Amino acid sequence: SQTIHQWPATLVQPVGSPLSLECTVEGTSNPNLYWYRQAAGRGLQLLFYSVGIGQISSEVPQNLSASRPQDRQFILSSKKLLLSDSGFYLCAWSDRGTFGYTFGSGTRLTVV
Amino acid sequence: QKEVEQDPGPLSVPEGAIVSLNCTYSNSAFQYFMWYRQYSRKGPELLMYTYSSGNKEDGRFTAQVDKSSKYISLFIRDSQPSDSATYLCAMSETGGGNKLTFGTGTQLKVEL
Repeated sequence: SQTIHQWPATLVQPVGSPLSLECTVEGTSNPNLYWYRQAAGRGLQLLFYSVGIGQISSEVPQNLSASRPQDRQFILSSKKLLLSDSGFYLCAWSDRGTFGYTFGSGTRLTVV
Repeated sequence: QKEVEQDPGPLSVPEGAIVSLNCTYSNSAFQYFMWYRQYSRKGPELLMYTYSSGNKEDGRFTAQVDKSSKYISLFIRDSQPSDSATYLCAMSETGGGNKLTFGTGTQLKVEL
């Protein structure tokens, strides 16, 4: 069966520090991978999605970047965090054999 | 106008009540409709999905789609405190892992 791992669960970082959030998927090949941010009352905001290794599409220009160095690994990064980067970050995957997305457990990021 | 509109709530009901959660959308090309449940500080999990118009029942949950009105609903019968969560609708033009458009979510609290 497929599983998705996302870490860390919580993170407190100072303004201006770098960020690296990692997501890995098991039990599937060549999945579509997604990074979302969820703010209270604003729903899910799609940040990046990837349909293959090295293929990244950005939905919202901002202080973040994403990379997919391996088929089932998706990384969200920032060189210098802003206060506005605080939020709940979710990784998700899908493929042709599944319906909808499967989400990770999320990372709550607080920038102080 | 947002592509998908969902009343954010919060919605508070007594245990045993019938709950109706709704979304409206503007894109007539949407064919696949989903409901996700998200507990506090967790990732969303797929609850139900339907294709095109009609009803689908799963235990205490019924999903309903009216494409002519661009309106979808999720009904919860005999609501339980464990149903307390945020419910997000989602939809896509095609199946098989393609990008979803989410509503902002409705927060539901079922009280004893």
